[in-house]
Amino acid sequence: DAGVTQSPTHLIKTRGQQVTLRCSPISGHKSVSWYQQVLGQGPQFIFQYYEKEERGRGNFPDRFSARQFPNYSSELNVNALLLGDSALYLCASSLFRTSGIITDTQYFGPGTRLTVL
Amino acid sequence: GQQLNQSPQSMFIQEGEDVSMNCTSSSIFNTWLWYKQDPGEGPVLLIALYKAGELTSNGRLTAQFGITRKDSFLNISASIPSDVGIYFCAGQLWEYGNKLVFGAGTILRVKS
Repeated sequence: DAGVTQSPTHLIKTRGQQVTLRCSPISGHKSVSWYQQVLGQGPQFIFQYYEKEERGRGNFPDRFSARQFPNYSSELNVNALLLGDSALYLCASSLFRTSGIITDTQYFGPGTRLTVL
Repeated sequence: GQQLNQSPQSMFIQEGEDVSMNCTSSSIFNTWLWYKQDPGEGPVLLIALYKAGELTSNGRLTAQFGITRKDSFLNISASIPSDVGIYFCAGQLWEYGNKLVFGAGTILRVKS
């Protein structure tokens, strides 16, 4: 079975531009989470979506937005890019199943490397 | 906000050695997870821990969920060259978003 897939692999943009990153979850997973990983640091939570609804938002400005589609794939949009947005953007998928015990174990894709010049 | 203190920051390993790393926090987490990340790739899940006190193994890896729910450790026995990489601990909160809070990582390098 395919794991989490992300596109594109690499992206170069200039300040002020907008970017859209895409993610397809593991088959059967209904939740997608987005993380930003700056070089030398651990990933930082941006959003979680489940059944097309936002279920969590991290401490990121409104320039960051996301959505989830009926097939559970997701897009992350970043407007008015800043140099500091340069990072590896990671998508994680999970079942988000709750039946007595919550186990929202998240599996990561390979990431999209965004460079803002 | 929640923060994880992961140590050591980096370490050198020689093939065959046992390795230990740990994470502590002032906050309680519902789940602890350990991931490994190779350069240019996404984190790969190694072990997930769901109950306080739980001790779980995955091959040469052993991890424990601290009884206070504020810490976890990961041990690697009989290390091999492919163990080189960056290891991250992550605590998960079952609140709005089930977000993962990551440590800063432990870099494993080969001793030359």
